[in-house]
Amino acid sequence: DAGVIQSPRHEVTEMGQEVTLRCKPISGHNSLFWYRQTMMRGLELLIYFNNNVPIDDSGMPEDRFSAKMPNASFSTLKIQPSEPRDSAVYFCASSLSIGDVDIQYFGAGTRLSVL
Amino acid sequence: GQNIDQPTEMTATEGAIVQINCTYQTSGFNGLFWYQQHAGEAPTFLSYNVLDGLEEKGRFSSFLSRSKGYSYLLLKELQMKDSASYLCAVLDSNYQLIWGAGTKLIIKP
Repeated sequence: DAGVIQSPRHEVTEMGQEVTLRCKPISGHNSLFWYRQTMMRGLELLIYFNNNVPIDDSGMPEDRFSAKMPNASFSTLKIQPSEPRDSAVYFCASSLSIGDVDIQYFGAGTRLSVL
Repeated sequence: GQNIDQPTEMTATEGAIVQINCTYQTSGFNGLFWYQQHAGEAPTFLSYNVLDGLEEKGRFSSFLSRSKGYSYLLLKELQMKDSASYLCAVLDSNYQLIWGAGTKLIIKP
């Protein structure tokens, strides 16, 4: 399996621009997670989907952030407008819930720099 | 509140053994995970504990004591490639993963 695929790997943009991050989960996985990682705050869960339905978006910092999962093989995280404090590495992870063990597999991440 | 504590940084020597501790206070407990993250890369799954005791997997072992809210990751026969951050994460009563800040392990020759 190719694993979780994220694009782009790097994104540099100017403050105020719209940014769209993309994720293709592992085929057959039924849960998808978006994380943000910074040195200061570590790994933070932004939102997660189960069977394409958003379950918990309490980690989404503000209305500038939105996420969609139109089908089982694709998800997007959008920031509009972007701000310098959004600069971070954004990870997508997917998992297959089997009983109580739910191992998350991470994509390579998107390193976002907002100037 | 929910809290996971790990040392920020540890240093060890190639060939030696190192133990990375993790203590947690969470609303409920449904398992504890250890992930490895090399600099600039994604976290990768190492181990999962839900019952008390030691789980061994090659050079890596993970221990759990639920009554003490404590876990450790034991790395034996350290290699230079083990230099990475090690993240402890707890699955709480809502099956949400609560992540620690990670322990940066530096291996010296």
